[in-house]
Formats: sequence, structure tokens, C-alpha cells
Amino acid sequence: QKEVEQDPGPLSVPEGAIVSLNCTYSNSAFQYFMWYRQYSRKGPELLMYTYSSGNKEDGRFTAQVDKSSKYISLFIRDSQPSDSATYLCAMINAGGTSYGKLTFGQGTILTVHP
Amino acid sequence: DAGVTQSPTHLIKTRGQQVTLRCSPKSGHDTVSWYQQALGQGPQFIFQYYEEEERQRGNFPDRFSGHQFPNYSSELNVNALLLGDSALYLCASSLVAGWESTDTQYFGPGTRLTVL
Repeated sequence: QKEVEQDPGPLSVPEGAIVSLNCTYSNSAFQYFMWYRQYSRKGPELLMYTYSSGNKEDGRFTAQVDKSSKYISLFIRDSQPSDSATYLCAMINAGGTSYGKLTFGQGTILTVHP
Repeated sequence: DAGVTQSPTHLIKTRGQQVTLRCSPKSGHDTVSWYQQALGQGPQFIFQYYEEEERQRGNFPDRFSGHQFPNYSSELNVNALLLGDSALYLCASSLVAGWESTDTQYFGPGTRLTVL
């Protein structure tokens, strides 16, 4: 079993839709959670960075963490064609022998069509 | 402020050859991590360098080695290339804050390596 599971999609939605992207994880040592966006043939770009359980909002993006269920989500409101990309969840331990190592999900391919 | 830069952009090698990839971290960052991203997959952690030493390593064979220079730039070397080494190689830089590496990692554009 992979430490981080992410539905690869692909996911296709109309412009203006609300998008929900999800990851589950098995390692309870993960304490920091990130969402990266990766355009085709580019490096990942950090979108959101969260620590505690709960919600964090940044513009049209909301990151949600539920540590008790080992489940994280990214919501995109009023989706735009420019949001079309691969979205990667990533997690990291805080301290211990695995610090500094980001563990990624497989990535979800999102297409927002006009 | 220059972000993370990597060179070359693309590289084609044949099986058995050796390759060196280069990375310059974001200004002010002292830690460099390398990741391998196969097509359709998320990045996989190779190793991380801090203070010119490898301080963390993922599940990659010894054919993968690296180096960090005093100016914090880094190289990734892969020996005896296999077809399965074809991937996008990503460099990420960060600033270590004490013993906890919860610092944000910023990625470069990657080097696309094709092994024939």
C-alpha cells in the first residue's frame, strides 16, 4: 500500500464549477500537508501549506485537513481554464529520521473547459 | 529574485552512460532536494543535501549520487543508466529552520532525461 493515495482522474469540469481534489494517507507521522500545481512540462508550484486539522483559505482555494481520518482535500471555487493542470498532494514529517522528505500522491489531472 | 534553476532542460543518453544534472537554489536557500518524476506519477524523493552533506535519502540505488557545493548549488549524478531512469528530475530548494525541516520546498522546472 502506498503511503499517499490520490485519485489520478482525469477530472473534467466546466468553467465556474467547484472542484474537489482528495488524498488519503496511512502514515500518522505526517504533520504538514501541501498542495502543488504542475502545468505540463513544468515543475510543481506550491499552492497551499497547512499544518493543523481544519480549513485554510487563499482566494479561490481552500485546503482541508482531517488528521483523525487521514484525509486531505483541496477545493477550487469558480474554476477557470487556467486552473487546468495536475494537482499533487504532498506530506512531510516534522522531525525524526524522515524530516525533509516530501511524500507525494500520484497527482490528479484537472481540465476546466470553457 | 531568481527562483530555482536547473540545467540542462533536456538530455538524451544511452543505456550504460553516466549523466550529471545541475541545480541552483532559490536565493537565500541552503538546502537542496532531488526528486524523480516518472510519466503520470508523483515525484519520488531521491535525497537531500544540507551543509554539503547528504542528510536524507530515499529508496534509490547507489547509482544515484549527489553533491552540494559551498554556494549551495547541487549536482545529481546517475551512473550506468537504465531505460527506467527516463524521467523528469526535479530539484527543490528550502531554508532549514533549526532541526525541523518543515520549511517550504520550491521546485525548479526540471530536467527531462531520456535513456535510449
